[in-house]
Amino acid sequence: EAQLLESGGGLVQPGGSLRLSCVASGFTFSNYAMSWVRQTPGKGLEWVSQITNGGSGTQYADSVKGRFTISRDNSKGTLYLQMSSLRAEDTAVYYCAKYLAGSCGGGYCYSDYWGQGTLVTVSS
Amino acid sequence: DIQMTQSPSTLSASVGDGVSITCRASQSISRWLAWYQQKPGKAPKLLIYKASSLESGVSSRFSGSGSGTEFTLTISSLQPDDFATYYCQQYNSFPLTFGGGTKVEIK
Repeated sequence: EAQLLESGGGLVQPGGSLRLSCVASGFTFSNYAMSWVRQTPGKGLEWVSQITNGGSGTQYADSVKGRFTISRDNSKGTLYLQMSSLRAEDTAVYYCAKYLAGSCGGGYCYSDYWGQGTLVTVSS
Repeated sequence: DIQMTQSPSTLSASVGDGVSITCRASQSISRWLAWYQQKPGKAPKLLIYKASSLESGVSSRFSGSGSGTEFTLTISSLQPDDFATYYCQQYNSFPLTFGGGTKVEIK
C-alpha cells in the first residue's frame, strides 16, 4: 500500500524559509503527479501546489505563487516544498498527496493517498 | 475560483440513522467532485470520486450523487466509525477547491 511521510515542519519567524519533504513508498513514485494541501482551523483545506510525474509541470495557488516552489526527486521518491517569505497566514498542517495519474488532467485531480501531515507555525 | 459550499456545517445523528450532506459549486463542475472523510489528527481519506464512484475498499454505506452544481453524499445506517468530518473537493478547474466541511457528530 502507498505511504507518504512528511517532514520538515516547525516554528519559523515571519519572513523566514522552510523546506518540507515527503518520502513516498509502496508505489512507483515517478508515475504519479503529486500535490501539497494545507489545513488550518479557520480556513479548512486549501490546495497549495502540484507537480507532474516528471517534474516539468507545476501549478500554485495564488496565495503562495512566487514564494513557494514545489519539486521532486524521482530517484529518491521524494517530494519537496520550498517555502520562503513565510507569513503568519501560512501557519497550517501541510499534507502531501498522490494523484491518480502522471498529470492532473482528464479527471484525475483528486488524491487517493495522503501523508499524515507536518505542522508549520509562522510566528515571532 | 470555484467556491464550494457545504451544508450543514454540523450534523447530529444517531447510530443507524441515514444522513445526507450537500455540496454546491459556484459554477458547473460537471461530475468532477470528490468526497473525503477526515478524523481528528488524521489525513483525509478518499471516499467518492467523479461524484458517484466509490473508492476501492470504502463501505457501500457511502454513496454520492449529483452533477453540475449540486452534489450529495449519503451515508446509510451510520456506524460509530462514521462520525467524522466530511469534505467535498472540485477538480474541474484550478485552483482545486474544497468545501468548508461537515462534522457528523453523535446525537
